[in-house]
Amino acid sequence: DTEVTQTPKHLVMGMTNKKSLKCEQHMGHRAMYWYKQKAKKPPELMFVYSYEKLSINESVPSRFSPECPNSSLLNLHLHALQPEDSALYLCASSRGFGTSGYEQYFGPGTRLTVT
Amino acid sequence: GQQVMQIPQYQHVQEGEDFTTYCNSSTTLSNIQWYKQRPGGHPVFLIQLVKSGEVKKQKRLTFQFGEAKKNSSLHITATQTTDVGTYFCAGKGTGTASKLTFGTGTRLQVTL
Repeated sequence: DTEVTQTPKHLVMGMTNKKSLKCEQHMGHRAMYWYKQKAKKPPELMFVYSYEKLSINESVPSRFSPECPNSSLLNLHLHALQPEDSALYLCASSRGFGTSGYEQYFGPGTRLTVT
Repeated sequence: GQQVMQIPQYQHVQEGEDFTTYCNSSTTLSNIQWYKQRPGGHPVFLIQLVKSGEVKKQKRLTFQFGEAKKNSSLHITATQTTDVGTYFCAGKGTGTASKLTFGTGTRLQVTL
């Protein structure tokens, strides 16, 4: 199974709502990532988890809160978002994270609209 | 911070023509990866290059890593409509915890 799943596929939320994005992989990967992608732009790294510990936080605003409950699951909790946070949120996983490069497997993404 | 630029931003070719996208990093890389993202899809890994001057081929696709490990290219021979999408290079820095930085991308359109 080389699949990364993400739910929901689409999400519309108001600026006062709290919602969560979910990501799951069953490839035994030990690194998981959240990316944000705006239209016609490259994916921008938000967070990296390695062995369930937060390794990188790319100075993401606190209204985005990641969580890695176990090695297969990654959540992104959303609160008090702004309209400019509307984007495609991609989850990815890889065998490891470190000096050697590891190919990343991406999920289909959650298309988020903040109204 | 590390910046990775790609040219051209967009290219439109007739089916059967060749296509090349170029990737340049502001810093030396430990390795470079290439991804393809179809319209409405997610990035899919194509290949990783690690050694200075490395060349790898996948059918009609040829990937090169520069001698200085700061640039790379992807060449597609005889494009097909299935090659449509955005091609991203992604460079990994040389530090232990260096992240992968995606290039700006080249969008390829192929028409009959």
